[in-house]
Amino acid sequence: AQSVAQPEDQVNVAEGNPLTVKCTYSVSGNPYLFWYVQYPNRGLQFLLKYITGDNLVKGSYGFEAEFNKSQTSFHLKKPSALVSDSALYFCAVRDSGDYKLSFGAGTTVTVRA
Amino acid sequence: ETGVTQTPRHLVMGMTNKKSLKCEQHLGHNAMYWYKQSAKKPLELMFVYSLEERVENNSVPSRFSPECPNSSHLFLHLHTLQPEDSALYLCASSRTAGAWPEAFFGQGTRLTVV
Repeated sequence: AQSVAQPEDQVNVAEGNPLTVKCTYSVSGNPYLFWYVQYPNRGLQFLLKYITGDNLVKGSYGFEAEFNKSQTSFHLKKPSALVSDSALYFCAVRDSGDYKLSFGAGTTVTVRA
Repeated sequence: ETGVTQTPRHLVMGMTNKKSLKCEQHLGHNAMYWYKQSAKKPLELMFVYSLEERVENNSVPSRFSPECPNSSHLFLHLHTLQPEDSALYLCASSRTAGAWPEAFFGQGTRLTVV
């Protein structure tokens, strides 16, 4: 069985401040980890992934995420948030070689000017 | 534009109607998914097709019937739905192996059952 937990329903930050969105996962094999963003009335947009290699992965729009195997975490970060980063963020996991993609409940990010 | 196209974007249907949602991808992916996104609920995986074979059916009511005629197309047939079925239905596709396993999503179909 696999699962994803996003412990925060909502994250509020001021523009220019660092942004962190937390994610922990559970999977029986090797994890493939993903972050997606969803803007209002839109589908999910892929941000970044961890497959193997460097624990720090960089993605679109200045986002990055750090894979921590011992803590089974994959937190999303951005050094300086923008108002336009306000959206719903989803963490997802897949067992390598499997097809089933499981999502967290999502975290709403609000960046105030 | 993700390469996954869903039609229609919006659908209003009565409880006795029959309608179908369509999803199309030409990314060479071999897995396709239907997800249901309801307000204030986690994304629910409904069905997964891998190489045109249904491999996952997460206890979805029979009023939802998927069809995958080939690796590029996925349908969700709807029949005698309930108001609580109103939601955003998202289609996605991915490779099941290789260096690019991320799923790409369509824009979704906003379904309202009246």
